[in-house]
Formats: sequence, C-alpha cells, structure tokens
Amino acid sequence: GIQVEQSPPDLILQEGANSTLRCNFSDSVNNLQWFHQNPWGQLINLFYIPSGTKQNGRLSATTVATERYSLLYISSSQTTDSGVYFCAAPGAGSYQLTFGKGTKLSVIP
Amino acid sequence: EPEVTQTPSHQVTQMGQEVILRCVPISNHLYFYWYRQILGQKVEFLVSFYNNEISEKSEIFDDQFSVERPDGSNFTLKIRSTKLEDSAMYFCASSRWGGAEYEQYFGPGTRLTVT
Repeated sequence: GIQVEQSPPDLILQEGANSTLRCNFSDSVNNLQWFHQNPWGQLINLFYIPSGTKQNGRLSATTVATERYSLLYISSSQTTDSGVYFCAAPGAGSYQLTFGKGTKLSVIP
Repeated sequence: EPEVTQTPSHQVTQMGQEVILRCVPISNHLYFYWYRQILGQKVEFLVSFYNNEISEKSEIFDDQFSVERPDGSNFTLKIRSTKLEDSAMYFCASSRWGGAEYEQYFGPGTRLTVT
C-alpha cells in the first residue's frame, strides 16, 4: 500500500515564528488531506488539497502531486497551533486514508 | 458549515463489556468510515460502509466489531466484548461520494478507555 512519511517528527517554535511541515507519499494520489489533532485528541480537518495551493488564515498548503509531496505552512504561530499535524492519502483502488505518523508541534510563548 | 458529530466524547468501560460508539455523518453524505488511533500512534483505518454494506475493512476489524446505520442519521460502531487493547480514540468520517478522490470529513472522536 501507499507509504506516507512526514517530517520533521517534532518541532518547537517560539510564538510568532513561521514553519513548514512536509508530507511525502510513495504513489500518485488524487486526494491529500491535512489534519490538526489538538491536545485533547480531537481531529480537525484543515485542508483537502490533491493539488495546487490553498490558504485559510495563517495556514496554507501546497501539493505537488507529480513530485509526490505536500507542504503545510504555518505563519505567525500561536500557542493554540500546538498539537500534532497529520497528512493522509488513499492508496490505489482504495477508499481508506493512510495517515503519516504526524509532526508534533509545540509553540512556546 | 456541516460537520460530523460523535457521542460520547469519552467512554469508560470494563473489559468484556459491549460498547456502542455513535456518529452523525453530514446529512447528504453516502459513505461512512471508522478509524482508530491508539495513544501515541498514527490513525488507522477500520472500515468503510455504503448502502448498508461494508465496502472495505482492515485486518483490525475482526468479528468483535460491527457497524450499523440504524436510521437515516446515525452510524454506529459496536465492540462486542472489549479488551484492554481496544482503548483508543475512535474517529468517524463521511464523504459525499465514494472513491479515493473525495474528501473525507472527520468527527472530533470518541476516547474509549477499557479498564
């Protein structure tokens, strides 16, 4: 099945800093989703981005499907951005999303 | 904006007991999913459901698990006889259409603790 790799595994930022999280996937995909898991464990949908670039406030995402990677940008980070960020993509011929192991982000005041 | 809801947010049960986790998918969605996340690990697919049938399931989804759409709005996951290793976050998701290219909308999750 598809392999989804995320980097870095851990990231510590000072409040106000910018960051880039990366997601590599082993096969061509027609769906790529980013999620934020908050410290209470809740999963929050961030982006559905099979290709191109999208922006939502301080967050934006870019997927380059031909090169099999996606990037999540967080600008002017806030402590509420802390948590784990996951990307997920489906395998060929499957509806199931395969998740990466996540990037754990800690934003300190 | 429509969203997937799940109840309860936290369930504590004793080993061997049956539990039912409930989900209300987005109203015009046709495909439903359950995923599981053991503490500290990544999210894993359990099962997908369409037209009152399981369309795909993982190795995790054994005979202890079952899914049902008992009415027009709810989608449930039942664990028949819980084990300690069933302790996890359980996420429900739904999509308008089937197929890998369609976005899956996730609920906030139910934390299941088996003691």
